[in-house]
Amino acid sequence: QVQLVESGGGLVKPGGSLRLSCAASGFTFSDYYMSWIRQAPGKGLEWVSYISSSGSTIYYADSVKGRFTISRDNAKNSLYLQMNSLRAEDTAVYYCARPPLREKEYFQHWGQGTLVTVSS
Amino acid sequence: DIQMTQSPSSLSASVGDRVTITCQASQDISNYLNWYQQKPGKAPKLLIYDASNLETGVPSRFSGSGSGTDFTFTISSLQPEDIATYYCQQYDNLPPTFGQGTKVEIK
Repeated sequence: QVQLVESGGGLVKPGGSLRLSCAASGFTFSDYYMSWIRQAPGKGLEWVSYISSSGSTIYYADSVKGRFTISRDNAKNSLYLQMNSLRAEDTAVYYCARPPLREKEYFQHWGQGTLVTVSS
Repeated sequence: DIQMTQSPSSLSASVGDRVTITCQASQDISNYLNWYQQKPGKAPKLLIYDASNLETGVPSRFSGSGSGTDFTFTISSLQPEDIATYYCQQYDNLPPTFGQGTKVEIK
């Protein structure tokens, strides 16, 4: 079955960096777009970024553009989110999510999430 | 960005009640509208896609309808395990955006 496991979250100071990973299994990773979505504590869901199956197409939310970089390694069945210049408002649980085949922007499978806390 | 407005923000109903949540888009999104359920401490779960299609394995008491700008999500007979926050999400335009959520509680 589809499994998505995020890792790499933790406590970081404002202005710092963090790299999140998402290990995928149970499906042909290289066939699917993948997204990162976040949820601030007690708040709603915010889409962050997606990357096409080959990695050639990438989009970001305006709130993270220029600071976050999404990437993938299809040989390792892994998705990444490099987060730089972190701010307090980036504090959230970060989920990786997979759409159905040939879809991009909706989310059929989700990981359990990894918590990022930006605080001094 | 397309704004998604859900109402109510919270509701309390009895077991067996019919529960209805509405979601309004700030512009026409055709039927590119999904509904998710999120239980406390868990990841969201896709329930309804393309406004009215039930995701595989989801109980038939959940349903969705609508198109254009106005959408409805219904639980025909509320069960204790349905306690959760429900989100709508549009994917007609980038960025995909979510409603603010509706928290459903048992009276």
